[in-house]
Amino acid sequence: GAVVSQHPSWVICKSGTSVKIECRSLDFQATTMFWYRQFPKQSLMLMATSNEGSKATYEQGVEKDKFLINHASLTLSTLTVTSAHPEDSSFYICSAQPRQGSRETQYFGPGTRLLVL
Amino acid sequence: AQKITQTQPGMFVQEKEAVTLDCTYDTSDQSYGLFWYKQPSSGEMIFLIYQGSYDEQNATEGRYSLNFQKARKSANLVISASQLGDSAMYFCAMREALTGFQKLVFGTGTRLLVSP
Repeated sequence: GAVVSQHPSWVICKSGTSVKIECRSLDFQATTMFWYRQFPKQSLMLMATSNEGSKATYEQGVEKDKFLINHASLTLSTLTVTSAHPEDSSFYICSAQPRQGSRETQYFGPGTRLLVL
Repeated sequence: AQKITQTQPGMFVQEKEAVTLDCTYDTSDQSYGLFWYKQPSSGEMIFLIYQGSYDEQNATEGRYSLNFQKARKSANLVISASQLGDSAMYFCAMREALTGFQKLVFGTGTRLLVSP
């Protein structure tokens, strides 16, 4: 159980285009989902926290208009990188928090590698 | 101030040996949780073990155990009988305030290499 999927796993796009990444919890409902960014050989940095049916909470320094997050249902959150530029190239990982259990870990998706040319 | 500190950028261990990966943390909360994750080269984050601040016993999960020393604010991961497949990045993380958004804060990670 506790499987989180991400789609796509790889995306290459031209500078100026927008890219949408989906994060789905497959076998549980997730009140809260998290989006992280990881540069090569670095740690995960939280970008934003999204709760179903409400606006995402962004971490300091993360541009809300650049990284649009939608948490439309208890099993789906999307991250849209708008007008992507080469500096947005990174590894994006989502995680989902099950509704119950404060001791529960977040379950992570497999990640999406974004390369902006 | 950094909340999670992993001072070992890289560690080497021989197969079948035990290895300890260090993690210290900083928090003023009384209630918090500590996690260890493994990240192989594929990128996925694999949950290994959890320790709650009020847990009286050190957590264990198979070959993984957590050496929790609350007074010293350390939560070291011990991997016994290392296997080649254990080669990966290992991240320590903390979650403060076990209610609300429950954000995780990660350390910088330790790269473990297991040699035959």
